[in-house]
Amino acid sequence: DAKTTQPPSMDCAEGRAANLPCNHSTISGNEYVYWYRQIHSQGPQYIIHGLKNNETNEMASLIITEDRKSSTLILPHATLRDTAVYYCIVKRTGGFKTIFGAGTRLFVKA
Amino acid sequence: EAGVAQSPRYKIIEKRQSVAFWCNPISGHATLYWYQQILGQGPKLLIQFQNNGVVDDSQLPKDRFSAERLKGVDSTLKIQPAKLEDSAVYLCASSLRLAGDTSYEQYFGPGTRLTVT
Repeated sequence: DAKTTQPPSMDCAEGRAANLPCNHSTISGNEYVYWYRQIHSQGPQYIIHGLKNNETNEMASLIITEDRKSSTLILPHATLRDTAVYYCIVKRTGGFKTIFGAGTRLFVKA
Repeated sequence: EAGVAQSPRYKIIEKRQSVAFWCNPISGHATLYWYQQILGQGPKLLIQFQNNGVVDDSQLPKDRFSAERLKGVDSTLKIQPAKLEDSAVYLCASSLRLAGDTSYEQYFGPGTRLTVT
């Protein structure tokens, strides 16, 4: 599975969009991009995933570049409850292992 | 629907003692995972079950850690004997994923925080 690189921390003002980048330059054609987040003292929570098309759900949008070497998770209107560690994970089709990196710690400030 | 249940939520033991954690996955989920999360790091997969069979246990320290999933539902993770470096949060997760599925999502429990003194 390809490795991912994320900034260790980011700040965002409440009500503004939070854009969390992820670099996965070694991604291969059968690997999906997943995003999870972990709020303090809780287990990780699935957010969204995609292969090559942009995806949107009730929580977030996922923008994947055309060459698939990077992606951005967008929280359109961040709230204080979105303060968490966000993990970007690349995982191949049918692969068994999910490898979490250190993630990005997002601080949403009032 | 009920989420992934874990117990206990907290456990403090002395080194060289043994400890066991219990996990009840979401009903109908075929795949169950145990992760270890050390403070400041992302979760690390210890073992993955598909029904009651082990799919991946390559990162499980088998000299002291053991896990089982009886009848393909509940699972227990045991550490015997514990070391100081085993202090961590132990997370259980489950998914509907079947072998060969192209995508899946994992649902995590709240974790058990283990402190070894």
